[in-house]
Amino acid sequence: DAGVIQSPRHEVTEMGQEVTLRCKPISGHDYLFWYRQTMMRGLELLIYFNNNVPIDDSGMPEDRFSAKMPNASFSTLKIQPSEPRDSAVYFCASSLSSYNEQFFGPGTRLTVL
Amino acid sequence: GQQLNQSPQSMFIQEGEDVSMNCTSSSIFNTWLWYKQDPGEGPVLLIALYKAGELTSNGRLTAQFGITRKDSFLNISASIPSDVGIYFCAGQGEETSGSRLTFGEGTQLTVNP
Repeated sequence: DAGVIQSPRHEVTEMGQEVTLRCKPISGHDYLFWYRQTMMRGLELLIYFNNNVPIDDSGMPEDRFSAKMPNASFSTLKIQPSEPRDSAVYFCASSLSSYNEQFFGPGTRLTVL
Repeated sequence: GQQLNQSPQSMFIQEGEDVSMNCTSSSIFNTWLWYKQDPGEGPVLLIALYKAGELTSNGRLTAQFGITRKDSFLNISASIPSDVGIYFCAGQGEETSGSRLTFGEGTQLTVNP
């Protein structure tokens, strides 16, 4: 398996623009997670899905952030409008079940100018 | 909320030396995971622990799930330059919400050849 796939790997945008990050989980994994990593706050869980349904979105910072999972092989994390403080590395991870190990993608490094 | 204290924050060692790092929690976990993150990449799972007292090895790496279920350690024997990276512990279960992982702050390891 190719592992978790994320795109783009790098994104540079200007404040106020919409940003869409994409993730393809490992085939057969029922759980998908979106994380944000910064120097100040480390790895933070933003939201996770089980069988394409959002289960816990308590980590989503604001209404500017939204996530969808239209099918088992694709998820998006959207920021609209983006702000400089959103600059971070965003990771997607997937796992087979709720108590299995999570496998991480390579991340998207987002820079908002 | 839950807190995971990981120590040390950073280590500078000579090639060939052994390394030890640990995590302690204010809460009980059912699962402890250890990840390694290389620059520009996502965290990669090293070892998963599912039972209190469990001691698991993966090559030169050994990790243990503490008896109290509130701590775990990771040892690396005979370090080599490619061991450089950030090591994260993560806990799951009991008081966490479903599949949510709580991550430690990370240990930055530098190995001098």
